[in-house]
Amino acid sequence: ETGVTQTPRHLVMGMTNKKSLKCEQHLGHNAMYWYKQSAKKPLELMFVYSLEERVENNSVPSRFSPECPNSSHLFLHLHTLQPEDSALYLCASSQDPASAGNTIYFGEGSWLTVV
Amino acid sequence: GQNIDQPTEMTATEGAIVQINCTYQTSGFNGLFWYQQHAGEAPTFLSYNVLDGLEEKGRFSSFLSRSKGYSYLLLKELQMKDSASYLCAVRSGGFKTIFGAGTRLFVKA
Repeated sequence: ETGVTQTPRHLVMGMTNKKSLKCEQHLGHNAMYWYKQSAKKPLELMFVYSLEERVENNSVPSRFSPECPNSSHLFLHLHTLQPEDSALYLCASSQDPASAGNTIYFGEGSWLTVV
Repeated sequence: GQNIDQPTEMTATEGAIVQINCTYQTSGFNGLFWYQQHAGEAPTFLSYNVLDGLEEKGRFSSFLSRSKGYSYLLLKELQMKDSASYLCAVRSGGFKTIFGAGTRLFVKA
C-alpha cells in the first residue's frame, strides 16, 4: 500500500474509444502528477497539478486530458489514442512541489494497451 | 538539454556489494533521488541527496558530487529481493523531476 491508488490496473482500449484513468492519494499531499513509463525509457512527466491548478504540461498530445477536481483525486481522460501510447501510466503525489526535497510517491500504475 | 545516464543492467552475487552509477546534465539542480522499482510495482523512494557526500541508510548508501554531476547508489549485503530496477532522478527546478531510464539489477545466488 503506497498511499496512492490507481484504477484500473489494466486497460485495453481501441483507438476510437474514450476511457479514463483514476488516481486517489490518501497522504494529504498538495501536488499530483501523471508520468508515462515505456519499456527501457525514462519516466516521462506528463502533467503536474499543485493545489488543483495545472502547473506543468510537458507538450503532451491533446488526446490526453487531465482533470484534478480536488487535491486528492486526479484523472487522465483518454481519447483516440494510438498504439504507441501503450505504456504504464503512473500517478504520483508529493507534499510540496516547490520545495527542493520534495519526495514523490507513486501509485502502482495503470497498464494501458491500445489496439 | 537535460540528460541522466545510468547503466542499463548489472548483475551481482548475493551477499556482495554493488555500486550503481548515475551521471546527470540538467539546467538546474535541487537534489537527486534514488528509487527502487520491482517489476510490475510502483517506484518507491530510497534516498535523497542535495549536498555533496554520502548518505547512509541501512544497507543502502547514496553519494553525490555536484561539481561532477555524479551520484552512486551502494547496496551492501545483497539479497535476492534487491533484484529490481533502480531509478536515478534529478529535481532540475520548478516542478520538474527528471528520471533516468533505470538500471536493472539481477542478484544471483
